[in-house]
Amino acid sequence: GQQVQQSPASLVLQEGENAELQCNFSTSLNSMQWFYQRPEGSLVSLFYNPSGTKQSGRLTSTTVIKERRSSLHISSSQITDSGTYLCAMERNSGTYQRFGTGTKLQVVP
Amino acid sequence: EAAVTQSPRSKVAVTGGKVTLSCHQTNNHDYMYWYRQDTGHGLRLIHYSYVADSTEKGDIPDGYKASRPSQENFSLILELASLSQTAVYFCASRGLSQNTLYFGAGTRLSVL
Repeated sequence: GQQVQQSPASLVLQEGENAELQCNFSTSLNSMQWFYQRPEGSLVSLFYNPSGTKQSGRLTSTTVIKERRSSLHISSSQITDSGTYLCAMERNSGTYQRFGTGTKLQVVP
Repeated sequence: EAAVTQSPRSKVAVTGGKVTLSCHQTNNHDYMYWYRQDTGHGLRLIHYSYVADSTEKGDIPDGYKASRPSQENFSLILELASLSQTAVYFCASRGLSQNTLYFGAGTRLSVL
């Protein structure tokens, strides 16, 4: 079954609101990575975060391995944050990553 | 900035035909991957490779072959394209001791 589950599947925010995106995994992992997919389809890496908390600007990622979850917090959302956010889990062997189904975010004025 | 180039960017193929998707990276990365993306499924791993002349099966390899003739190039081959293989295909690369995946722009494949 699906080893990486993301929630919510979709989210609409008013500009300026905060959001918390969740990623849960069902097996032990080696690392967790967050990606942003632009509306036109291209993918960029946001965070590599195997454990603990990392921040970059308005984005904060927190991974708690014991609880098998990772979250991505977006503060003061902007219209340009619209797109799909994907988490990817790397298993112990460290050879490849499995992706969640994504959270589609729309930020409106 | 790591560079991964996919070609073609889009393709229309006929059922039963052969399709080859190409990926080229200029970063001297060891690992290369092929993922497909369908609505509601996120990205799913088809094949990957960690060294030239060797490929490994991912989670959904059926109906696909892969070829890694050199460190820079990684191809995905659909010998007999089927309607169910209509999707967007992404190639990615990663260095041996690096954690970040670098993606190509994707190839939109439509099988009719």
